[in-house]
Amino acid sequence: NAGVTQTPKFQVLKTGQSMTLQCAQDMNHNSMYWYRQDPGMGLRLIYYSASEGTTDKGEVPNGYNVSRLNKREFSLRLESAAPSQTSVYFCASSERREFSGYTFGSGTRLTVV
Amino acid sequence: AQTVTQSQPEMSVQEAETVTLSCTYDTSENNYYLFWYKQPPSRQMILVIRQEAYKQQNATENRFSVNFQKAAKSFSLKISDSQLGDTAMYFCAFRYNDMRFGAGTRLTVKP
Repeated sequence: NAGVTQTPKFQVLKTGQSMTLQCAQDMNHNSMYWYRQDPGMGLRLIYYSASEGTTDKGEVPNGYNVSRLNKREFSLRLESAAPSQTSVYFCASSERREFSGYTFGSGTRLTVV
Repeated sequence: AQTVTQSQPEMSVQEAETVTLSCTYDTSENNYYLFWYKQPPSRQMILVIRQEAYKQQNATENRFSVNFQKAAKSFSLKISDSQLGDTAMYFCAFRYNDMRFGAGTRLTVKP
């Protein structure tokens, strides 16, 4: 099925470990996004990529890095995980036109202990 | 920066009744887009309805409709004939360039 694929779906890390969340879309969308979802706070934008070759910070970028590998793939890296990064992470993609809603992946539940 | 406020953390409604979820936002922009997303327990984010700010007519999608008041910066979602499958978190979202979300309203439909 066409859409946004995130891996892994679940992950437990120890404080200080690093990991990369992978995201790929097959809808030929220009723009891709990473959000985190925390109880009572909705979804907050971490980083986004308006087009291949560009990335920009969102609301909560500290502690994260991203790579827009090509038009299809947009990865999120935690270099040194902290308990405050325990969250559910969503990748999304969209057409550049603002009328377009986002298509979301199924999320990654990350726990940092 | 744009902000989105959902003032109702939780709501409940009896099956077959109507419920309205509130959303307000703050922006200095004139042309933008508003969305409601549904997140069932499966965690998947599902687009429910969208509204263009330049359109005065309120959007409708089957049992879902919005009341868009641009001057008041208000964008509420009305669900008619509520069904058990409507039980979910509902997020209001504002898009100008990127998309910003409210904190969500947890809706429970009771049999």
